[in-house]
Amino acid sequence: QSALTQPASVSGSPGQSITISCTGTSSDVGTYNYVSWYQQYPGKAPKLMIYDVSNRPSGVSNRFSGSKSGNTASLAISGLQAEDEADYYCSSYTSSSTRVFGGGTKLTVL
Amino acid sequence: QVQLVQSGTEVKEPGASVKVSCKASGYSFTDYYMHWVRQAPGQGLEWMAWINPDSGTNYAQKFQGWVTVTRDTSISTAYMELRRLKSDDTAVYYCARGLAGSSPGFEHWGQGTLVTVSS
Repeated sequence: QSALTQPASVSGSPGQSITISCTGTSSDVGTYNYVSWYQQYPGKAPKLMIYDVSNRPSGVSNRFSGSKSGNTASLAISGLQAEDEADYYCSSYTSSSTRVFGGGTKLTVL
Repeated sequence: QVQLVQSGTEVKEPGASVKVSCKASGYSFTDYYMHWVRQAPGQGLEWMAWINPDSGTNYAQKFQGWVTVTRDTSISTAYMELRRLKSDDTAVYYCARGLAGSSPGFEHWGQGTLVTVSS
């Protein structure tokens, strides 16, 4: 199972919006509405931000949203804030009932 | 509240085995999947395995045959054993509880256990 493909880095200024893509295959992202997104600060455990493509857990800001089209899922962050600077990972359920992560995207708030 | 508390830092020699524990509290341990995820220094997250409410297991192909995940329901603790350690197994190992229902994401995470493999 190959890792999902994410851009290595994205950046944006405070107040702007950014999007992080996550490309898989028909064995994972393309077939199942089971993509989740995680935020990770250096030295900390990841935090769930989006599950099942577009659902936000309780307590996660509505500035975070998720979507999917074909084999590519996306995480959008609106109204960028300094605290959003972190690494972001996508994950998908697979046809083998396993899970697979993306390589991660470093978000820099300029 | 849900808590996953993992065992402490380990230093092992190449060829040895390591067993990491993850003690759960604040929820019904037998109702949820438990996953294991690792992160090598400066690298991304890598899914390793899950154990489900029926104690069934599933492993990433890469880890089949040298990783074993188990649980002891009497003490609400999950375990991950990695055998025949190599230097590139040096990583932080996380346990992560699944979401409720059929959603396959990772809702709660342990603090991580650093395993260093060095001679």
